[in-house]
Amino acid sequence: GDSVTQTEGLVTLTKGLPVMLNCTYQTTYSPFLFWYVQHLNEAPKLLLKSSTDNKRTEHQGFYATLHKSSSSFHLQKSSVQLSDSALYFCALSDRTGNYKYVFGAGTRLKVIA
Amino acid sequence: GPKVLQIPSHQIIDMGQMVTLNCDPVSNHLYFYWYKQILGQQMEFLVNFYNGKVMEKSKLFKDQFSVERPDGSYFTLKIQPTALEDSAVYFCASSRQGGEVFFGKGTRLTVV
Repeated sequence: GDSVTQTEGLVTLTKGLPVMLNCTYQTTYSPFLFWYVQHLNEAPKLLLKSSTDNKRTEHQGFYATLHKSSSSFHLQKSSVQLSDSALYFCALSDRTGNYKYVFGAGTRLKVIA
Repeated sequence: GPKVLQIPSHQIIDMGQMVTLNCDPVSNHLYFYWYKQILGQQMEFLVNFYNGKVMEKSKLFKDQFSVERPDGSYFTLKIQPTALEDSAVYFCASSRQGGEVFFGKGTRLTVV
């Protein structure tokens, strides 16, 4: 079946450093990939999405590129801030509407001063 | 921005009792979803709902589960009867056709 793998459970970084959160997926259909961010006691919010192979998508300083050849959609930022501390979920869907997401386990990013 | 409200934020219920989780979706949204997250694990799709009908449900959506949105009010998830393994955080979400999906903060359900 379809699956999303996020290999890191917790990433701890000093502010100002770059970060990459890994996301790989398995599916038989043409995928739509998403990154959601959930701050403490808040709802998960959409951060990025893509269905175009090898095209970088960016939002709020974060960026990701869908690589269908390696089934990956890693999330990156060049310089993390304290406010980036949150839970990040990678998700997979086979469509643009009527969403049925397959989520990864999530990666907690902790940024320290 | 648009918000999905979930009521209550926490619920403790005795095993075997009925529970209803309420969701107030974004006002012009037509697609509604429930996801379940057991502590420390990923969110898993339960069901989606459109035009008064369940469109799709997963194997986690047991016979004891039901959803409805009577008269455009709350979108509800009812569990009757509850079991210990139903303890989890339940996330409601809504969207327009092809649009961004907005999630609520979740309802933490504890079955004792």
